[in-house]
Amino acid sequence: EVQLVQSGVEVRKPGESLKISCKGSGYSFTTYWVAWVRQMPGKGLEWMGIIYPGDSDTRYSPSFQGQVTISADKSINTAYLQWSSLKASDTAMYYCARHSNAKSDYWGQGTLVTVSS
Amino acid sequence: DIQMTQSPSSLSASVGDRVTITCRASQSINRNLNWYQQKPGKAPKLLIYAASNLQSGVPSRFSGSGSGTDFTLTINSLQPEDFATYYCQQSYTTPLCSFGQGTKLDIK
Repeated sequence: EVQLVQSGVEVRKPGESLKISCKGSGYSFTTYWVAWVRQMPGKGLEWMGIIYPGDSDTRYSPSFQGQVTISADKSINTAYLQWSSLKASDTAMYYCARHSNAKSDYWGQGTLVTVSS
Repeated sequence: DIQMTQSPSSLSASVGDRVTITCRASQSINRNLNWYQQKPGKAPKLLIYAASNLQSGVPSRFSGSGSGTDFTLTINSLQPEDFATYYCQQSYTTPLCSFGQGTKLDIK
């Protein structure tokens, strides 16, 4: 069974760093892209970026370039999304999703990130 | 960037109704269009891929059509579990994609 399991709820202060994770199982992790999607409170879905764990090829949507870093550790089938200095506007639910053949077919359960002083 | 515009933004309907949601792309995306359903507090779920292909396990009352810039998602005979928010996604520029703003379907 294909599963993407994300790390738990995070509460941070502005200016702090954070790294959240997404662990894949039940499929060949290195041969599928893993995307990150943001959903701000009460808002729609935003495509942040994507990584191919097999060779770490990483792409960012223009709005997120330079704002976050996407990485992966294929030895433990895990993708990451990280911030070096959080802002209140980073408060959101973050989803990872397996992306294959131009569709996002399996999704993680989401990680809620709250940034507040 | 390819912009995706859904209409309507919200829609009220009754159980048993047939509803149609539209998605328009700012340029031709061929048939590279997917539809997702999201219920409150849950991750999105893939319903339709490549404009008209039903994802495995999705009920046949869901269907998709269109190509180029104009696409539709149709739900026949609405069921109580179908009240949710629906998003289109263009994958023409895969692996970078983009979503429409969403259509919230609620009970009349």
